[in-house]
Amino acid sequence: GQNIDQPTEMTATEGAIVQINCTYQTSGFNGLFWYQQHAGEAPTFLSYNVLDGLEEKGRFSSFLSRSKGYSYLLLKELQMKDSASYLCAVKDSNYQLIWGAGTKLIIKP
Amino acid sequence: IAGITQAPTSQILAAGRRMTLRCTQDMRHNAMYWYRQDLGLGLRLIHYSNTAGTTGKGEVPDGYSVSRANTDDFPLTLASAVPSQTSVYFCASSDSGGGGRQDTQYFGPGTRLTVL
Repeated sequence: GQNIDQPTEMTATEGAIVQINCTYQTSGFNGLFWYQQHAGEAPTFLSYNVLDGLEEKGRFSSFLSRSKGYSYLLLKELQMKDSASYLCAVKDSNYQLIWGAGTKLIIKP
Repeated sequence: IAGITQAPTSQILAAGRRMTLRCTQDMRHNAMYWYRQDLGLGLRLIHYSNTAGTTGKGEVPDGYSVSRANTDDFPLTLASAVPSQTSVYFCASSDSGGGGRQDTQYFGPGTRLTVL
């Protein structure tokens, strides 16, 4: 079957750096997405990786290793507004998105 | 304002009743999707449409139906609601649908549905 694994919850301190991991086993691979979802709101797109390596976008970076079935989202200079759930999703061989359950990130002052 | 709208925002429904969740996008996206989101589970695809006039079944289609008469609208109907359909429902759209590589999906605000 297809599977996306992420930690359920993480806690970090304002101003610090946090890394959220995602491992996947899917039928085929056509890219990996990270979305942010604040409580009670819709998911919003953060990043997309299809080739191995690091993609940087301001305070957020996303890394992919296709051979290891692994990605991480790196958040730097954490702010209180970064408290949210972070969803990892992989596009499979049918170009359908398979979603992880999300990682709830709690930021403490 | 460009984006996706959903209606209603929330609804409490008696079991056995019929309910249609509405979704409209003004981005002229070809593809649209319906997901449900339950605590502890990832988003699960119910139905999708790669272009107006076509629809397909996702991971959890039973008990739901959709139609895509035009580009903008993609309603989701529960013919006879059951308590296990209590969930948050998100509609999403993307530019190209099946075959597109990145084809980022953009989400509506969601409908919180409770079936008693």
